[in-house]
Amino acid sequence: TQLLEQSPQFLSIQEGENLTVYCNSSSVFSSLQWYRQEPGEGPVLLVTVVTGGEVKKLKRLTFQFGDARKDSSLHITAAQTGDTGLYLCVSGGGSNYKLTFGKGTLLTVNP
Amino acid sequence: DAGVTQSPTHLIKTRGQQVTLRCSPKSGHDTVSWYQQALGQGPQFIFQYYEEEERQRGNFPDRFSGHQFPNYSSELNVNALLLGDSALYLCASSELAYEQFFGPGTRLTVL
Repeated sequence: TQLLEQSPQFLSIQEGENLTVYCNSSSVFSSLQWYRQEPGEGPVLLVTVVTGGEVKKLKRLTFQFGDARKDSSLHITAAQTGDTGLYLCVSGGGSNYKLTFGKGTLLTVNP
Repeated sequence: DAGVTQSPTHLIKTRGQQVTLRCSPKSGHDTVSWYQQALGQGPQFIFQYYEEEERQRGNFPDRFSGHQFPNYSSELNVNALLLGDSALYLCASSELAYEQFFGPGTRLTVL
């Protein structure tokens, strides 16, 4: 089973600030997904990255997949209170049916 | 179109009891996966059901069992409950190996 390390574990910032969270593995990802989980809800898929070096943008969120496909980052520009939640890095899916989750980064954006 | 639904929302049991959690998949989905999310952790894969059979299983004891019905809905059963079974239990549905959609979860507390 692939182990995913996420950092930081907790992050508390003010509205309007920028932030980056990281996901690392000792082995190569076939693909990597980022989910966001809000309190009282299940995780919701934000993006899937497949190709080394790939960059995907989702409004103020920018996702990057490392060239060696062993790490990924999520950058949020001008954070809003609605960005508050648990950001989870996930491997698996597709033909490898189960999803393996990291422990997540708990982001709190204060007004 | 209803998404993934789970019942009950919350449940309190005592050690040694048995519990059954229920999941209705998103319309058109034939695959159901169950995950356990302890406080402060990412979800951990329990098992996945497809065509009424367990297709893949995570590292959970036999006290955890499941079932999938012909209408694709699913149940998760946990016998001989332990304090450590207290967690949020998430159900996710998908069509074959495509994106998994999560329900809001069932919060189980074992006293």
